Amino acid sequence: NAGVTQTPKFRVLKTGQSMTLLCAQDMNHEYMYWYRQDPGMGLRLIHYSVGEGTTAKGEVPDGYNVSRLKKQNFLLGLESAAPSQTSVYFCASRDRGRDEQYFGPGTRLTVT
Amino acid sequence: GENVEQHPSTLSVQEGDSAVIKCTYSDSASNYFPWYKQELGKRPQLIIDIRSNVGEKKDQRIAVTLNKTAKHFSLHITETQPEDSAVYFCAASREDTGRRALTFGSGTRLQVQP
Repeated sequence: NAGVTQTPKFRVLKTGQSMTLLCAQDMNHEYMYWYRQDPGMGLRLIHYSVGEGTTAKGEVPDGYNVSRLKKQNFLLGLESAAPSQTSVYFCASRDRGRDEQYFGPGTRLTVT
Repeated sequence: GENVEQHPSTLSVQEGDSAVIKCTYSDSASNYFPWYKQELGKRPQLIIDIRSNVGEKKDQRIAVTLNKTAKHFSLHITETQPEDSAVYFCAASREDTGRRALTFGSGTRLQVQP
């Protein structure tokens, strides 16, 4: 039982490049979330999903897209990376009927 | 939307002393308030949470209190130890069509001096 995993752990991109961050959970959770964490700030919600095939915008969605084709996976895409997207990205999942969110280990992304 | 403010931003205490971190929230519909501990380079770990139908919750050296009227909640750590050193985040959420996304405070860096 691995919980929530994220791939990759680290990545450096040049401005304008694209990439996809993968979040996977093996707890059969319905809800999944993508947050970003910047220095001196708490985590901020980018996008979330309340179930397979559904996604919705969070607090800071601009420049990101997401997909949830399978219940266990939640993908975060950057189509054209910008330096402002340099951050640590955390994925989380939550079971239906429960409040607790379980976080993945994070992906540290640097855009130069 | 929800706004969560957290104070202080840094806190230094001597080992064995108590530490208190305070948060205020803006959305009166928020009803779930977790606290996370984050060590350097690690993921946030849930340490305690409270729901709006409860005023206080305790787990060994950690306690959380909630004042719904004033819209603030606090984390209390007693008998602090060096391993308590970390960044602590409060958060708030409301049940909103199942979304339950968290709005975080900006964090408190706690340093416990041996």
